[in-house]
Amino acid sequence: QKEVEQDPGPLSVPEGAIVSLNCTYSNSAFQYFMWYRQYSRKGPELLMYTYSSGNKEDGRFTAQVDKSSKYISLFIRDSQPSDSATYLCAMRGGSNYKLTFGKGTLLTVNP
Amino acid sequence: EAGVTQFPSHSVIEKGQTVTLRCDPISGHDNLYWYRRVMGKEIKFLLHFVKESKQDESGMPNNRFLAERTGGTYSTLKVQPAELEDSGVYFCASSQDVENIQYFGAGTRLSVL
Repeated sequence: QKEVEQDPGPLSVPEGAIVSLNCTYSNSAFQYFMWYRQYSRKGPELLMYTYSSGNKEDGRFTAQVDKSSKYISLFIRDSQPSDSATYLCAMRGGSNYKLTFGKGTLLTVNP
Repeated sequence: EAGVTQFPSHSVIEKGQTVTLRCDPISGHDNLYWYRRVMGKEIKFLLHFVKESKQDESGMPNNRFLAERTGGTYSTLKVQPAELEDSGVYFCASSQDVENIQYFGAGTRLSVL
Protein backbone atom coordinates (compact mmCIF):
# COMPACT_ATOMS: atom_id res chain seq x y z
CA GLN A 1 0.00 0.00 0.00
CA LYS A 2 1.31 3.43 -0.96
CA GLU A 3 1.82 5.88 1.88
CA VAL A 4 -0.19 8.56 0.07
CA GLU A 5 -2.97 7.92 -2.44
CA GLN A 6 -4.23 10.64 -4.76
CA ASP A 7 -6.53 10.23 -7.74
CA PRO A 8 -4.53 11.50 -10.75
CA GLY A 9 -7.65 12.54 -12.66
CA PRO A 10 -7.74 14.26 -15.05
CA LEU A 11 -10.46 16.51 -13.66
CA SER A 12 -12.21 18.98 -15.95
CA VAL A 13 -14.63 21.60 -14.62
CA PRO A 14 -16.33 24.75 -15.96
CA GLU A 15 -15.18 28.16 -14.80
CA GLY A 16 -16.81 29.14 -11.51
CA ALA A 17 -17.22 25.57 -10.25
CA ILE A 18 -16.20 24.40 -6.81
CA VAL A 19 -13.35 21.91 -7.05
CA SER A 20 -12.64 19.23 -4.46
CA LEU A 21 -9.27 17.46 -4.43
CA ASN A 22 -8.44 14.70 -1.97
CA CYS A 23 -5.68 12.48 -0.63
CA THR A 24 -5.66 9.59 1.78
CA TYR A 25 -2.64 8.36 3.67
CA SER A 26 -1.62 5.40 5.78
CA ASN A 27 1.22 6.71 7.96
CA SER A 28 -0.19 7.96 11.27
CA ALA A 29 3.12 9.75 11.97
CA PHE A 30 2.31 12.44 9.40
CA GLN A 31 1.60 15.74 11.15
CA TYR A 32 2.18 18.43 8.53
CA PHE A 33 0.08 18.55 5.38
CA MET A 34 0.64 20.61 2.28
CA TRP A 35 -0.91 21.29 -1.08
CA TYR A 36 1.37 22.31 -3.93
CA ARG A 37 0.33 23.59 -7.35
CA GLN A 38 2.49 22.77 -10.35
CA TYR A 39 2.13 24.38 -13.75
CA SER A 40 3.52 22.60 -16.78
CA ARG A 41 7.34 22.64 -16.90
CA LYS A 42 7.52 24.50 -13.57
CA GLY A 43 8.37 23.44 -10.04
CA PRO A 44 5.78 22.77 -7.31
CA GLU A 45 4.55 25.96 -5.63
CA LEU A 46 3.23 25.83 -2.08
CA LEU A 47 -0.48 26.72 -1.82
CA MET A 48 -1.54 25.62 1.64
CA TYR A 49 0.26 24.39 4.76
CA THR A 50 -1.55 22.94 7.77
CA TYR A 51 -0.53 21.27 10.98
CA SER A 52 -2.59 18.40 12.43
CA SER A 53 -6.37 18.31 12.01
CA GLY A 54 -8.60 21.22 11.13
CA ASN A 55 -9.41 23.71 8.41
CA LYS A 56 -7.41 26.55 6.90
CA GLU A 57 -8.71 29.12 4.48
CA ASP A 58 -6.79 31.43 2.16
CA GLY A 59 -8.83 33.37 -0.34
CA ARG A 60 -10.58 30.92 -2.67
CA PHE A 61 -8.69 27.95 -1.22
CA THR A 62 -9.63 25.86 1.82
CA ALA A 63 -7.58 22.98 3.15
CA GLN A 64 -9.07 20.37 5.46
CA VAL A 65 -7.28 17.68 7.44
CA ASP A 66 -9.02 14.80 9.20
CA LYS A 67 -6.33 12.80 10.97
CA SER A 68 -8.81 10.31 12.41
CA SER A 69 -9.76 9.29 8.86
CA LYS A 70 -6.30 9.93 7.41
CA TYR A 71 -7.91 12.13 4.76
CA ILE A 72 -7.03 15.59 3.49
CA SER A 73 -8.87 17.83 1.06
CA LEU A 74 -8.36 21.03 -0.91
CA PHE A 75 -11.38 23.02 -2.03
CA ILE A 76 -11.17 25.71 -4.70
CA ARG A 77 -14.13 28.09 -4.89
CA ASP A 78 -15.04 30.08 -8.00
CA SER A 79 -12.44 28.22 -10.03
CA GLN A 80 -10.65 30.16 -12.78
CA PRO A 81 -8.88 29.02 -15.97
CA SER A 82 -5.63 30.13 -14.30
CA ASP A 83 -6.21 27.41 -11.69
CA SER A 84 -5.56 24.81 -14.39
CA ALA A 85 -2.52 22.90 -13.12
CA THR A 86 -1.48 19.72 -11.34
CA TYR A 87 -2.26 19.75 -7.62
CA LEU A 88 -0.01 17.70 -5.37
CA CYS A 89 -0.66 16.76 -1.78
CA ALA A 90 2.41 16.30 0.40
CA MET A 91 2.97 15.45 4.02
CA ARG A 92 5.66 14.77 6.59
CA GLY A 93 6.20 13.67 10.15
CA GLY A 94 7.10 15.91 13.04
CA SER A 95 10.85 15.45 13.18
CA ASN A 96 11.44 14.24 9.64
CA TYR A 97 11.78 16.92 7.01
CA LYS A 98 11.33 14.75 3.95
CA LEU A 99 8.05 15.20 2.10
CA THR A 100 5.96 12.29 0.89
CA PHE A 101 3.89 13.23 -2.14
CA GLY A 102 0.75 11.98 -3.82
CA LYS A 103 0.86 11.45 -7.59
CA GLY A 104 -0.93 14.72 -8.24
CA THR A 105 -4.32 15.53 -9.82
CA LEU A 106 -4.40 17.28 -13.20
CA LEU A 107 -7.12 19.96 -13.13
CA THR A 108 -8.45 21.85 -16.13
CA VAL A 109 -10.85 24.75 -15.65
CA ASN A 110 -12.66 25.53 -18.89
CA PRO A 111 -13.70 29.13 -19.67
CA GLU B 1 14.79 37.61 -3.89
CA ALA B 2 15.85 34.86 -6.27
CA GLY B 3 14.16 31.50 -5.87
CA VAL B 4 15.71 28.06 -6.10
CA THR B 5 17.50 27.74 -9.41
CA GLN B 6 18.50 24.57 -11.18
CA PHE B 7 20.83 23.92 -14.11
CA PRO B 8 20.45 22.66 -16.72
CA SER B 9 16.72 22.73 -17.34
CA HIS B 10 17.01 19.73 -19.66
CA SER B 11 19.77 17.20 -20.26
CA VAL B 12 19.84 14.43 -22.83
CA ILE B 13 22.62 11.85 -22.48
CA GLU B 14 23.36 8.32 -23.56
CA LYS B 15 23.37 5.36 -21.26
CA GLY B 16 26.73 5.03 -19.55
CA GLN B 17 27.55 8.73 -19.64
CA THR B 18 27.93 11.01 -16.65
CA VAL B 19 25.66 13.94 -15.86
CA THR B 20 25.92 16.57 -13.15
CA LEU B 21 22.91 18.56 -12.01
CA ARG B 22 23.26 21.76 -10.05
CA CYS B 23 21.00 23.47 -7.55
CA ASP B 24 21.35 26.95 -6.09
CA PRO B 25 19.09 27.30 -3.04
CA ILE B 26 17.52 30.49 -1.79
CA SER B 27 20.21 32.57 -0.11
CA GLY B 28 20.44 31.84 3.61
CA HIS B 29 18.59 28.51 3.44
CA ASP B 30 20.56 25.90 5.36
CA ASN B 31 18.31 23.00 4.32
CA LEU B 32 18.55 21.65 0.79
CA TYR B 33 16.67 18.67 -0.60
CA TRP B 34 16.76 16.63 -3.79
CA TYR B 35 13.66 14.87 -5.09
CA ARG B 36 12.96 12.96 -8.28
CA ARG B 37 9.90 12.20 -10.33
CA VAL B 38 10.05 9.36 -12.82
CA MET B 39 7.38 8.94 -15.48
CA GLY B 40 4.00 7.98 -14.05
CA LYS B 41 5.17 8.02 -10.45
CA GLU B 42 4.98 10.43 -7.56
CA ILE B 43 7.75 12.83 -6.58
CA LYS B 44 10.12 10.95 -4.28
CA PHE B 45 12.66 12.17 -1.76
CA LEU B 46 16.34 11.50 -2.48
CA LEU B 47 18.30 13.29 0.22
CA HIS B 48 18.52 16.19 2.64
CA PHE B 49 21.47 18.47 3.42
CA VAL B 50 21.80 20.70 6.45
CA LYS B 51 24.49 23.14 5.39
CA GLU B 52 27.23 20.88 3.98
CA SER B 53 26.23 17.74 5.92
CA LYS B 54 24.03 14.96 4.62
CA GLN B 55 21.21 14.66 7.12
CA ASP B 56 19.24 11.93 5.39
CA GLU B 57 20.17 10.11 2.22
CA SER B 58 17.70 7.26 2.61
CA GLY B 59 16.11 7.95 -0.77
CA MET B 60 19.25 7.69 -2.90
CA PRO B 61 18.58 4.80 -5.30
CA ASN B 62 22.10 3.36 -5.51
CA ASN B 63 25.80 4.25 -5.48
CA ARG B 64 25.69 5.64 -9.01
CA PHE B 65 24.26 8.78 -7.46
CA LEU B 66 26.55 11.20 -5.61
CA ALA B 67 25.35 14.43 -4.03
CA GLU B 68 27.60 17.13 -2.68
CA ARG B 69 27.17 20.50 -1.08
CA THR B 70 30.64 21.90 -0.54
CA GLY B 71 30.65 25.05 1.57
CA GLY B 72 26.98 24.70 2.34
CA THR B 73 25.84 26.79 -0.61
CA TYR B 74 24.99 25.21 -3.96
CA SER B 75 24.64 21.47 -4.41
CA THR B 76 25.44 19.06 -7.23
CA LEU B 77 23.94 15.67 -7.98
CA LYS B 78 26.08 13.46 -10.19
CA VAL B 79 24.84 10.32 -11.89
CA GLN B 80 27.66 8.05 -13.07
CA PRO B 81 27.15 5.97 -15.13
CA ALA B 82 23.61 6.90 -16.13
CA GLU B 83 21.08 4.15 -16.83
CA LEU B 84 17.78 4.31 -18.72
CA GLU B 85 15.75 4.14 -15.49
CA ASP B 86 17.40 7.34 -14.23
CA SER B 87 15.29 9.37 -16.67
CA GLY B 88 12.90 11.75 -14.96
CA VAL B 89 12.64 15.22 -13.47
CA TYR B 90 15.02 16.04 -10.64
CA PHE B 91 13.80 18.74 -8.27
CA CYS B 92 15.74 20.67 -5.70
CA ALA B 93 14.10 22.45 -2.77
CA SER B 94 15.36 24.58 0.09
CA SER B 95 13.99 25.72 3.43
CA GLN B 96 15.04 27.86 6.36
CA ASP B 97 12.16 28.75 8.63
CA VAL B 98 11.02 26.74 11.66
CA GLU B 99 7.97 25.48 9.77
CA ASN B 100 10.31 24.04 7.14
CA ILE B 101 8.34 25.30 4.16
CA GLN B 102 10.17 23.88 1.19
CA TYR B 103 10.53 26.01 -1.93
CA PHE B 104 11.09 24.12 -5.13
CA GLY B 105 13.08 24.85 -8.24
CA ALA B 106 11.73 24.28 -11.73
CA GLY B 107 13.56 20.98 -12.01
CA THR B 108 16.03 19.38 -14.41
CA ARG B 109 14.50 17.04 -16.94
CA LEU B 110 16.96 14.18 -17.52
CA SER B 111 16.57 11.92 -20.52
CA VAL B 112 18.86 8.88 -20.73
CA LEU B 113 18.79 7.28 -24.18
